[in-house]
Amino acid sequence: AQTVTQSQPEMSVQEAETVTLSCTYDTSESDYYLFWYKQPPSRQMILVIRQEAYKQQNATENRFSVNFQKAAKSFSLKISDSQLGDAAMYFCAYRTGGSGGSNYKLTFGKGTLLTVNP
Amino acid sequence: KAGVTQTPRYLIKTRGQQVTLSCSPISGHRSVSWYQQTPGQGLQFLFEYFSETQRNKGNFPGRFSGRQFSNSRSEMNVSTLELGDSALYLCASGARAGGETQYFGPGTRLLVL
Repeated sequence: AQTVTQSQPEMSVQEAETVTLSCTYDTSESDYYLFWYKQPPSRQMILVIRQEAYKQQNATENRFSVNFQKAAKSFSLKISDSQLGDAAMYFCAYRTGGSGGSNYKLTFGKGTLLTVNP
Repeated sequence: KAGVTQTPRYLIKTRGQQVTLSCSPISGHRSVSWYQQTPGQGLQFLFEYFSETQRNKGNFPGRFSGRQFSNSRSEMNVSTLELGDSALYLCASGARAGGETQYFGPGTRLLVL
């Protein structure tokens, strides 16, 4: 079974600074997807960024980028120019890329609570 | 497009009762998945429905069930509620079965007394 580990329960960053959230995963599959979701205090889970395992290029979405190291099974999220609105719980998630009846569930890490200090 | 909607947003029940939660996916999405979120266990997969068929099921007792209607709306039912069922129940929709990217609703907060 796949597992996702987020080793940092809490992180803090100064407004306008850069922060990196860590995520490692364990899988024997070669085809899969990785995600970072953000869950602000209002509780709506929002997709931040997605990475396909077959793509070597790291995904980027505005101030959010990932460092995907497939061999090391590492998937970190970098938030540049942090803003107060970035404060939230961040979840790393894994999904198999298999087809034809595979188990498509998302497997989540425990989350990292990010605080942004003004 | 409107996002995923879930009703009700908050619910208080007592042990032994049953509850039904509803989820309407993003228009055009046919896959609906359900997750339970608790402080202790984190986010756990309950089940996924696609085209009215349950495709996958997580490791939950049979008290947890669901269904999907022809318009892709889904309901989740929990019978004989236990205190440990208190949680935030999240619904997510995707365009295809499994849908690589799942989009979440605001959740239903269930409190069992």
